[in-house]
Amino acid sequence: SQQGEEDPQALSIQEGENATMNCSYKTSINNLQWYRQNSGRGLVHLILIRSNEREKHSGRLRVTLDTSKKSSSLLITASRAADTASYFCATDAKNYGQNFVFGPGTRLSVLP
Amino acid sequence: NAGVTQTPKFQVLKTGQSMTLQCAQDMNHEYMSWYRQDPGMGLRLIHYSVGAGITDQGEVPNGYNVSRSTTEDFPLRLLSAAPSQTSVYFCASSSLVPGQGRGYGYTFGSGTRLTVV
Repeated sequence: SQQGEEDPQALSIQEGENATMNCSYKTSINNLQWYRQNSGRGLVHLILIRSNEREKHSGRLRVTLDTSKKSSSLLITASRAADTASYFCATDAKNYGQNFVFGPGTRLSVLP
Repeated sequence: NAGVTQTPKFQVLKTGQSMTLQCAQDMNHEYMSWYRQDPGMGLRLIHYSVGAGITDQGEVPNGYNVSRSTTEDFPLRLLSAAPSQTSVYFCASSSLVPGQGRGYGYTFGSGTRLTVV
């Protein structure tokens, strides 16, 4: 079973709007990461948040982490067509040597 | 700086054939891993390595072998291809090994799209 699960599975917004994606996980973690994947490409690391952090920013990205609810959110502000991609959260799990386990992703479409 | 290089980009195999997917990184990363990506399933870990000569199994290791004779290379071998192994395969590397706690991001290759007929 997957450690992380993104919600929604798909999201469609207009350029300039904000996009929010959520990630829920099952067991305690040390770190949570978000990645972006453009169609037909590999994943690109966006941001990492540690379990003792509650919020992190990177450019137009804002990530929050609520360890009591075992959830995280990724906010992309002022979205652009180039933000169209799939977004994955990854959590380090005690299984498999604390390798990162990826959820199924949220497919974001930003319409011009 | 090439990062993580995977070859080939595309491959079609017949059931029962064997092949090796190549992965090389030039960042002197200790950690390397192989994931497969299937629709609706996210990425699932096949095998990983925390250094030359050290490998371990992930979530879905059956039907795959790995070895790590050098820091740079981490090939994935399909022993006898099956249609269930049709997938996109990604190699990833990192400068830190899991569990070190300080936090790190993976660098991914561009993937190998494998079809088994």
